[in-house]
Amino acid sequence: GAVVSQHPSWVICKSGTSVKIECRSLDFQATTMFWYRQFPKQSLMLMATSNEGSKATYEQGVEKDKFLINHASLTLSTLTVTSAHPEDSSFYICSARPLVAPRGNTIYFGEGSWLTVV
Amino acid sequence: GESVGLHLPTLSVQEGDNSIINCAYSNSASDYFIWYKQESGKGPQFIIDIRSNMDKRQGQRVTVLLNKTVKHLSLQIAATQPGDSAVYFCAENKDSSYKLIFGSGTRLLVRP
Repeated sequence: GAVVSQHPSWVICKSGTSVKIECRSLDFQATTMFWYRQFPKQSLMLMATSNEGSKATYEQGVEKDKFLINHASLTLSTLTVTSAHPEDSSFYICSARPLVAPRGNTIYFGEGSWLTVV
Repeated sequence: GESVGLHLPTLSVQEGDNSIINCAYSNSASDYFIWYKQESGKGPQFIIDIRSNMDKRQGQRVTVLLNKTVKHLSLQIAATQPGDSAVYFCAENKDSSYKLIFGSGTRLLVRP
């Protein structure tokens, strides 16, 4: 079964509103989680690194004020897309690295969350 | 900038044949590589990984080969099955941070 869960699996929101996506590690703790975005027929693009208890690290070109990341516990990171626009419609995927070895040498991906902004 | 790329965007194979998916990477400092399978509408599924101190690793029906000299990675799938149809991505870990850089992907189509 899934060890990293994302919620919601899909969401439709109106342009200008904000939407939150959760990423949970179900049976391990993770100080580090990663958020990716994937447009149709394209590859996964890393958006940011979510660090438990500290600020997220954003990749170049990703607006930190638009994509708010909160990693308040060792099992939960959230991505909030603020003032969403149709161009933000995408497949958002998180991954998590277990804190403890040997599983710490593996990355687990969530099943992704489809966001459609209308 | 540095990237991980693939030679073939689409690969069509006959069921039962072997498949080979290739990937080129540009960062010679990368120390960890992973192959993922992604089915439509789903997250990436781990297939097999390899560290830079190895040149070959085998799993169940899959083999990954790493050629550090030419910065080339390949995924071999033996006796390809219809369930293998998906998009395959190679991913590169540049600095042991597990911030994976994904290649552009190859769609594998298995003909019955």
